[in-house]
Amino acid sequence: AQSVAQPEDQVNVAEGNPLTVKCTYSVSGNPYLFWYVQYPNRGLQFLLKYITGDNLVKGSYGFEAEFNKSQTSFHLKKPSALVSDSALYFCAVRAPYSSASKIIFGSGTRLSIRP
Amino acid sequence: DTAVSQTPKYLVTQMGNDKSIKCEQNLGHDTMYWYKQDSKKFLKIMFSYNNKELIINETVPNRFSPKSPDKAHLNLHINSLELGDSAVYFCASSPGDRVDEQYFGPGTRLTVT
Repeated sequence: AQSVAQPEDQVNVAEGNPLTVKCTYSVSGNPYLFWYVQYPNRGLQFLLKYITGDNLVKGSYGFEAEFNKSQTSFHLKKPSALVSDSALYFCAVRAPYSSASKIIFGSGTRLSIRP
Repeated sequence: DTAVSQTPKYLVTQMGNDKSIKCEQNLGHDTMYWYKQDSKKFLKIMFSYNNKELIINETVPNRFSPKSPDKAHLNLHINSLELGDSAVYFCASSPGDRVDEQYFGPGTRLTVT
């Protein structure tokens, strides 16, 4: 069975510092991996995805994520955090060639950027 | 214009009641979804539906039923509400099966007392 884990409930970073939000997964075959962001009282917004190709994926708002097959990880990163990045971040995984109904979300990590 | 809209935004009701949440998308997408986000922010897909197929997450109780009058609408009807149904429910839509092109609605906060 596929699963995804976000080991940190909360990540606190000072503005201007690099940030990392961790995600590990378990799936048979090559995974489809996603990151979403949720701002307060809003629905999720897609940030980036890894399907195949380059292990380093760039997405919206300056975020990037690196697919590491040996460590089964897909950590979200940004070189310089902004206060406006404060939000809830979800990692998601889906088995290859499966339908959208099979997507599994992590438990979410709250990112807090202090000025 | 709002891409995916949900009504109501807040819904407070008593146990045992039946309620519906409405969702509409004006994006021309052919697939719509319902998600449940519990108090711990854990997000779980409940249904995905397009004009050909309804796919139900097997963990969803049969008290929950999606109803789609047309391609732009996917309503969620809940019978015999329970305390554990309290959550935020999100509607979403996408072209085909493209979860990376999903647009989410603002959510409906359901509180069952």
